[in-house]
Amino acid sequence: DTAVSQTPKYLVTQMGNDKSIKCEQNLGHDTMYWYKQDSKKFLKIMFSYNNKELIINETVPNRFSPKSPDKAHLNLHINSLELGDSAVYFCASSQGPGGYGYTFGSGTRLTVV
Amino acid sequence: SQELEQSPQSLIVQEGKNLTINCTSSKTLYGLYWYKQKYGEGLIFLMMLQKGGEEKSHEKITAKLDEKKQQSSLHITASQPSHAGIYLCGADGRQGNLIFGKGTKLSVKP
Repeated sequence: DTAVSQTPKYLVTQMGNDKSIKCEQNLGHDTMYWYKQDSKKFLKIMFSYNNKELIINETVPNRFSPKSPDKAHLNLHINSLELGDSAVYFCASSQGPGGYGYTFGSGTRLTVV
Repeated sequence: SQELEQSPQSLIVQEGKNLTINCTSSKTLYGLYWYKQKYGEGLIFLMMLQKGGEEKSHEKITAKLDEKKQQSSLHITASQPSHAGIYLCGADGRQGNLIFGKGTKLSVKP
């Protein structure tokens, strides 16, 4: 029943590792997003995809690579993890531009040790 | 680029008290959204405001957008422990994304 689901919910990993976070939405939305929330709770856009096409690619290290196999899925792969990557990552989806109808996942808390 | 400034950064109130959280934009707002976040959970949509002077209420929470559409306030009447969490205001970005303020952490003491 979950509209936007992310896995895993928690991820603890060592520096230098490569990890992926998965996101799936069952709302039929065309656009999906990845946001990062830092330790000060500041939430900022990283990427957005519209129907599998990359729309937004903010200033994010190229160690982060989003992948959208279809419009219901947007995964985030992170290479060579660093301590500063520790944050909560939120996936979201919307039918179109604008915040109304935005639906967020429950977040993935990534801790790099 | 547009920035949203929220105040206060954190707030501790006694149960039953009223409180107000403010959100100020560096540019005219065309869509202003209020979200609530509880620890370990996603963002819960509260309200959306679009028109200058608009006011919306849901249960004990009222949000307003000023006439110039650059400031919004969120007012909680008779706060309860269930109101505790982080309140975020958001605005439409250039390409469908949301731009957020840095959040206001609300604690309600029973």
